[in-house]
Amino acid sequence: ETGVTQTPRHLVMGMTNKKSLKCEQHLGHNAMYWYKQSAKKPLELMFVYNFKEQTENNSVPSRFSPECPNSSHLFLHLHTLQPEDSALYLCASSPRRTSGRGETQYFGPGTRLLVL
Amino acid sequence: AQTVTQSQPEMSVQEAETVTLSCTYDTSESDYYLFWYKQPPSRQMILVIRQEAYKQQNATENRFSVNFQKAAKSFSLKISDSQLGDAAMYFCAYQGEYGNKLVFGAGTILRVKS
Repeated sequence: ETGVTQTPRHLVMGMTNKKSLKCEQHLGHNAMYWYKQSAKKPLELMFVYNFKEQTENNSVPSRFSPECPNSSHLFLHLHTLQPEDSALYLCASSPRRTSGRGETQYFGPGTRLLVL
Repeated sequence: AQTVTQSQPEMSVQEAETVTLSCTYDTSESDYYLFWYKQPPSRQMILVIRQEAYKQQNATENRFSVNFQKAAKSFSLKISDSQLGDAAMYFCAYQGEYGNKLVFGAGTILRVKS
């Protein structure tokens, strides 16, 4: 596999379920990101991890819990979600060679989540 | 907080013609980066072009070029010789002086007619 992969590609869950989204990057990058893409809203940054440390939490509700066990893997654990959390969840990575500024972010194909 | 505005929800262009997508942003910072990303129907977002605020020269990548007007806080994308494969959602994004966080606009859907 090359680039940034995400699994599953589609997920349907009930409000009481617990599920996890997985992201893996095969690019040797040191920064990883979770974004939420809802219909008719701008892409929203959720979390940033630099060298496995969370450096940004964009006021995300605690029902979303990220985990970054190493620089190649990023998870988003979901529990007791609401229907308004239905969206496309995108993962991205970037090299983070120095400050990370100006670097291209490489995106995965996304997980389409539907909360019933 | 910085904001990015794309005022055109949807644009259409005839194949082989030129189209310009608009983007404005609001910031008090002097050093920043601006990006255009493309999201085709397959959903994988890719970088189209990047501009550093300190560089006077407008960035160009093959058929894609930008018109960067720093004083006006405007960053438009021009696509020349449009192709069917250019049909996608285009996002303008801002990255500030600190960190690697991106702020995205709402996007513009570009349709290319044959």
